[in-house]
Amino acid sequence: AQRVTQPEKLLSVFKGAPVELKCNYSYSGSPELFWYVQYSRQRLQLLLRHISRESIKGFTADLNKGETSFHLKKPFAQEEDSAMYYCALSPTGANSKLTFGKGITLSVRP
Amino acid sequence: GAGVSQTPSNKVTEKGKYVELRCDPISGHTALYWYRQSLGQGPEFLIYFQGTGAADDSGLPNDRFFAVRPEGSVSTLKIQRTERGDSAVYLCASSLTGQGTEAFFGQGTRLTVV
Repeated sequence: AQRVTQPEKLLSVFKGAPVELKCNYSYSGSPELFWYVQYSRQRLQLLLRHISRESIKGFTADLNKGETSFHLKKPFAQEEDSAMYYCALSPTGANSKLTFGKGITLSVRP
Repeated sequence: GAGVSQTPSNKVTEKGKYVELRCDPISGHTALYWYRQSLGQGPEFLIYFQGTGAADDSGLPNDRFFAVRPEGSVSTLKIQRTERGDSAVYLCASSLTGQGTEAFFGQGTRLTVV
């Protein structure tokens, strides 16, 4: 069975502080990992995926297969980063159905 | 351009009633997914369509839940004999092919069973 664990429900930081949102997964095969974001009153949208190795809005995430982690990081948080963040997993090459973590609320204070 | 559209945005129904939730995917997307999100939880997979057929319905919780996509575009999620525990936000997503392509989500339908 596949599982995604986001151990924290809330992270509150001041503007300009570094951010790390934790994500751990369990999956017997080779998964694809994602971070989705939901801003207030907006729909869930893809932030980044590990295979693209991109930095989106200053966020990066590295897949660590040894630690089965995919933590989301940003060196300097902005107020507009305040949102709900979900880590998700999909089996590679399959139907791409997503298994989500419970999500974490990021609050960036001025 | 139009994104994934779900109607209604809110639905209140009495326990025991039947409800239908509709999803209009992005035009040309062959893959369509339904998820359910309960309060304080992440979205949970219900069913996946590739074209007209349900390729994976392993997430449907019981036989009260059923979904169709007769023409390979619009999909309807049907819930019979609703229970209070069915109250949740039902999300629909579509992707171009379903094989590693990005899933785009709708705004969801908030179902409340009273």
